[in-house]
Amino acid sequence: AQSVTQLGSHVSVSEGALVLLRCNYSSSVPPYLFWYVQYPNQGLQLLLKYTSAATLVKGINGFEAEFKKSETSFHLTKPSAHMSDAAEYFCAVSGGGGGATNKLIFGTGTLLAVQP
Amino acid sequence: GAVVSQHPSWVICKSGTSVKIECRSLDFQATTMFWYRQFPKQSLMLMATSNEGSKATYEQGVEKDKFLINHASLTLSTLTVTSAHPEDSSFYICSAGLAAAYEQYFGPGTRLTVT
Repeated sequence: AQSVTQLGSHVSVSEGALVLLRCNYSSSVPPYLFWYVQYPNQGLQLLLKYTSAATLVKGINGFEAEFKKSETSFHLTKPSAHMSDAAEYFCAVSGGGGGATNKLIFGTGTLLAVQP
Repeated sequence: GAVVSQHPSWVICKSGTSVKIECRSLDFQATTMFWYRQFPKQSLMLMATSNEGSKATYEQGVEKDKFLINHASLTLSTLTVTSAHPEDSSFYICSAGLAAAYEQYFGPGTRLTVT
């Protein structure tokens, strides 16, 4: 069984500051991991994904995440926050080896606020 | 590429009526489509997984007779909320799986309000 834990339901940073959103996973099989962003009243947009290749994954809008098996973590970072980064962020793990026909298990989400 | 649309984007209906929501993959054929429900300020809850031409697989606790899912083609899945009640009011999001890309593509969501 897979599960995802996102520490911190709300994170607030200043514009230009480092963004760090935490995600820990549990999986009985090698996980495929994803970060999605959701703006109000919209669907989810994929930021980046880990599919057992390079452990440091670069995504869109300057975000990146590092897969650390020893820590069962997949934290999302961005060196410098922009006002447009304010949104809800979801970490997800894919069951059964990661194929797109396998369901995603989502974390509870982290709401990122960016202060001017 | 890999665009998923949903229709309608929002709908208001009266209690006791049925509402159909469409999910379409516009530029690819989706082997599998998923339906999620999201309450305000909460995460996505998977309701069911549907494969083209076969019956949907519902998650535990989801009433299959209330949430009817049809996946008639590789580009279209529909979710019908039957005899809707105010507690069914929610944001419904579909996604479509593209196997070669190891990821799902999400629709923009449908806001359902039952009065």
